Amino acid sequence: AQKVTQAQTEISVVEKEDVTLDCVYETRDTTYYLFWYKQPPSGELVFLIRRNSFDEQNEISGRYSWNFQKSTSSFNFTITASQVVDSAVYFCALESNNAGNMLTFGGGTRLMVKP
Amino acid sequence: GAGVSQSPSNKVTEKGKDVELRCDPISGHTALYWYRQSLGQGLEFLIYFQGNSAPDKSGLPSDRFSAERTGGSVSTLTIQRTQQEDSAVYLCASSFVRGYNSPLHFGNGTRLTVT
Repeated sequence: AQKVTQAQTEISVVEKEDVTLDCVYETRDTTYYLFWYKQPPSGELVFLIRRNSFDEQNEISGRYSWNFQKSTSSFNFTITASQVVDSAVYFCALESNNAGNMLTFGGGTRLMVKP
Repeated sequence: GAGVSQSPSNKVTEKGKDVELRCDPISGHTALYWYRQSLGQGLEFLIYFQGNSAPDKSGLPSDRFSAERTGGSVSTLTIQRTQQEDSAVYLCASSFVRGYNSPLHFGNGTRLTVT
């Protein structure tokens, strides 16, 4: 069975603060992919990043960075110097070969960035 | 280019009526997925198509739910004899091929309200 847990249901920060969204996953598979998606108020899910289970290098893309740690089964997402436009629901997801390419989503974290 | 298009964007129906939800994937995308997002819940996988066939129907919650895809393009999700618990946002996604190298692209969803 696969499971993704996003313990933070809602986070509120003030603009320019850094914020980290936590994601913990469970899977018995050794080959899997982890994803982050952003769901702005418009509703459409926007793909942010995909990371495979064999690549534990952290990744930085502009103000976004991701910390993948297999030892703790975590794939955390940090936004540096947050902006109001970052306000959205963020979903972490897991996909493995044995799950037939079915994405298992976490419950999402609603991020509110206040000016 | 055009993204994944879903219609209608909103649907209100009376309990017991049938509804049809439509998804137009990105042109050339062979894989198509239906997800459901209920209030306060994460995203729940419903069904996946590769071309016109649906090798994975495991997520359909009951036999009132069915889906088809014709011409390897448009898909319709049909819910018969709707119940109030069917109220949710139904999201469609497509990808170029099934597999890890093809991120899912989501539509804006159809918000279904069963009264």
